[in-house]
Amino acid sequence: EDQVTQSPEALRLQEGESSSLNCSYTVSGLRGLFWYRQDPGKGPEFLFTLYSAGEEKEKERLKATLTKKESFLHITAPKPEDSATYLCAVQAGGEDKIIFGKGTRLHILP
Amino acid sequence: DGGITQSPKYLFRKEGQNVTLSCEQNLNHDAMYWYRQDPGQGLRLIYYSQIVNDFQKGDIAEGYSVSREKKESFPLTVTSAQKNPTAFYLCASAGRDRGQPQHFGDGTRLSIL
Repeated sequence: EDQVTQSPEALRLQEGESSSLNCSYTVSGLRGLFWYRQDPGKGPEFLFTLYSAGEEKEKERLKATLTKKESFLHITAPKPEDSATYLCAVQAGGEDKIIFGKGTRLHILP
Repeated sequence: DGGITQSPKYLFRKEGQNVTLSCEQNLNHDAMYWYRQDPGQGLRLIYYSQIVNDFQKGDIAEGYSVSREKKESFPLTVTSAQKNPTAFYLCASAGRDRGQPQHFGDGTRLSIL
């Protein structure tokens, strides 16, 4: 069964304290792995798509990487405005649907 | 600007009542999706549509219905058969090619009176 697991469930960091969020997946042939940011009461905002192992994408303080079994979202020198829930999702080969993980709630303390 | 519009932002339902949530997109996307989000549960797929006049059940379709008469619109009806409808409902759309990311609206929060 296709599955996506995110860890940790929640993470509190001091401003400027870099860390990584993990997304482990098991799918039959990866079509794409997606990272989203979700603020309270809002819809998820698309961040990155990764298609193959070894691929990396960057945007401001965020960097997403992909291996054959997991993806990491690295946050460098975070600011309080980076506080949000980060969602990972995967699309398996031959599927029209994507499967979401339960997310990591990130809180950056000033 | 292109995007997805969900309305209303907040909706209240009485027991035994059907309610319809609106979702409109101007991204020229073929595929549209409805999700339900509950605390600690992540996003669960209700229904999706890859093309006009066609749609498929997702993982939790019972108590819900949809229609896709226009490419831009994918309304969701929460029927009285849905026993636990209180949740945050999200609509998304995506390009037809596989591997395209879904883009989301800002959701409708449904509560029971």
